[in-house]
Amino acid sequence: AQSVTQLGSHVSVSEGALVLLRCNYSSSVPPYLFWYVQYPNQGLQLLLKYTSAATLVKGINGFEAEFKKSETSFHLTKPSAHMSDAAEYFCAVRGNTGGFKTIFGAGTRLFVKA
Amino acid sequence: GAGVSQTPSNKVTEKGKYVELRCDPISGHTALYWYRQSLGQGPEFLIYFQGTGAADDSGLPNDRFFAVRPEGSVSTLKIQRTERGDSAVYLCASSFSSGSVADTQYFGPGTRLTVL
Repeated sequence: AQSVTQLGSHVSVSEGALVLLRCNYSSSVPPYLFWYVQYPNQGLQLLLKYTSAATLVKGINGFEAEFKKSETSFHLTKPSAHMSDAAEYFCAVRGNTGGFKTIFGAGTRLFVKA
Repeated sequence: GAGVSQTPSNKVTEKGKYVELRCDPISGHTALYWYRQSLGQGPEFLIYFQGTGAADDSGLPNDRFFAVRPEGSVSTLKIQRTERGDSAVYLCASSFSSGSVADTQYFGPGTRLTVL
């Protein structure tokens, strides 16, 4: 069965500091991996997705993630945090065995301090 | 263009009542998904439609939950005999299905259901 684990329910960084949100997946087949962001009172928005074309995936708002099969990880990074990055971030997995079902992690809330 | 819309935005009901939640997908999107998001959790898959048919309903928790999409556009999630544990935000998403599991899903703002 597929699953996703997000390490750290809350992450706090200073404005301008590196953002690192961790995600590990479990899948018996090569997965498709996604990062979504959820701002307060708004719907989930896709940041980026891994579809096996390239291991380093660049997304919107300066975010990127690297697929590491050996570590079963798909961590999300951004070199310099901005106040507007404060939100909830979800890692998700979808794969051939699960069809179109998407499995989400529990989420990580990012706080950005001035 | 318009995104995914969901109505109502908030619904408060009493235990045992019946509720319907509506989702209007993006025009032309053939795939539609329902998720449930409880407080402090990630979205939990409920059901996936391809056109009018439910291609995967394995996430529906029990037979009190039912969803339809009779014309392949608007979908309604129906919950019978609501229980306090059904309180959550119900999310709808749609995608222009090319047949790839990598298709991008576009989410609506959700319906917050509170069962008293």
